[in-house]
Amino acid sequence: LAKTTQPISLDSYEGQEVNITCSHNNIATNDYITWYQQFPSQGPRFIIQGYKTKVTNEVASLFIPADRKSSTLSLPRVSLSDTAVYYCLVGYTGGSYIPTFGRGTSLIVHP
Amino acid sequence: DTGVSQDPRHKITKRGQNVTFRCDPISEHNRLYWYRQTLGQGPEFLTYFQNEAQLEKSRLLSDRFSAERPKGSFSTLEIQRTEQGDSAMYLCASMRTANQADTQYFGPGTRLTVL
Repeated sequence: LAKTTQPISLDSYEGQEVNITCSHNNIATNDYITWYQQFPSQGPRFIIQGYKTKVTNEVASLFIPADRKSSTLSLPRVSLSDTAVYYCLVGYTGGSYIPTFGRGTSLIVHP
Repeated sequence: DTGVSQDPRHKITKRGQNVTFRCDPISEHNRLYWYRQTLGQGPEFLTYFQNEAQLEKSRLLSDRFSAERPKGSFSTLEIQRTEQGDSAMYLCASMRTANQADTQYFGPGTRLTVL
């Protein structure tokens, strides 16, 4: 399983763009990169998933360089409700997929 | 799509008692996962099922823990002789199929407090 490294915490302000980078140096060829968001006392919620280049949905964008050894989750114009913990996972769900969550990145958005 | 549900949402028990949690996955989701999460940590994998078969178990899953998914639908997680160290949030997640681009859908969790 590819190990991931994320910053422990980030602070931002409402309206700003936030970028959270995840390092996964030993990502395997078949691995996908998935980001989850978790609010206190709730289960994680899927945000975005990608394999290479750039993926965008209504919530976020995910940038993956050609070597795939890192990825960046971009949250445009954050609001107070984006205060949460964000987890980066890598893995191949087509087999014996055992997701490994790290401690995630605690994002605090200030007014 | 009603989402993943878990019952109960909260459980307070005394040390030494047995507890059982239930998870109802999204219908037609073949894979079901159980996790444990303590304060300040990410979810830790406990076990997962592919339909009714339990395929993997973490070393975290001591012999006091048992999980079942008898008909490949809902699942139960039982903890026998609870200890204070078992206090945590227990999360369940389901996934449609073992496809390389699938994602997990999590339930709200069951918060266990062992006194």
